[in-house]
Amino acid sequence: QQKVQQSPESLSVPEGGMASLNCTSSDRNFQYFWWYRQHSGEGPKALMSIFSDGDKKEGRFTAHLNKASLHVSLHIRDSQPSDSALYFCAASNSGTYQRFGTGTKLQVVP
Amino acid sequence: GALVYQYPRRTICKSGTSMRMECQAVGFQATSVAWYRQSPQKTFELIALSTVNSAIKYEQNFTQEKFPISHPNLSFSSMTVLNAYLEDRGLYLCGARDLDWGYYAEQFFGPGTRLTVL
Repeated sequence: QQKVQQSPESLSVPEGGMASLNCTSSDRNFQYFWWYRQHSGEGPKALMSIFSDGDKKEGRFTAHLNKASLHVSLHIRDSQPSDSALYFCAASNSGTYQRFGTGTKLQVVP
Repeated sequence: GALVYQYPRRTICKSGTSMRMECQAVGFQATSVAWYRQSPQKTFELIALSTVNSAIKYEQNFTQEKFPISHPNLSFSSMTVLNAYLEDRGLYLCGARDLDWGYYAEQFFGPGTRLTVL
């Protein structure tokens, strides 16, 4: 069973719209979250991290973490065609492991 | 800045043969290196994780006998896919972290080695 679940599997938003991605960890030992983005033909690159309850904003990207439910979301405001990519959530433990989620494919339509 | 190089970028091998891929971390102290396989469906599978002063840990369904890894230090790592078959095709990604930062440690990825098996 996949221990880091993401939804939706794919998402299409108009340019300028808001994209919302979700991620849940099923293991309380893995409660520190990262969002990674992977463009076609490249390796994943870290977008942002969130370790505490509440919101964290970086430019057009806002992450929200609820530690009680181990649910994290990523919201992309004013989506651009360049935001079209695969988005992965990764849950870290306090040690060496990062577990990656199933991924969400985002397409921003001009 | 922190960069991870992987080579080759693409490789094709005949079924039953082996191929070696390499990973190099530059611009930071890599104390953890993970090898992943990304399937054509884009899901990640962790193959093995190497950390400083610890033995290499292979995940379930992956073995040292099939995917031997060697590294003189964690800035240079190589992995071989032995006796490759169709199910081994995919994008092999190397991810490196500086675990002195604990869970704050971002994982830096290379662009991957795409393996095609004929």
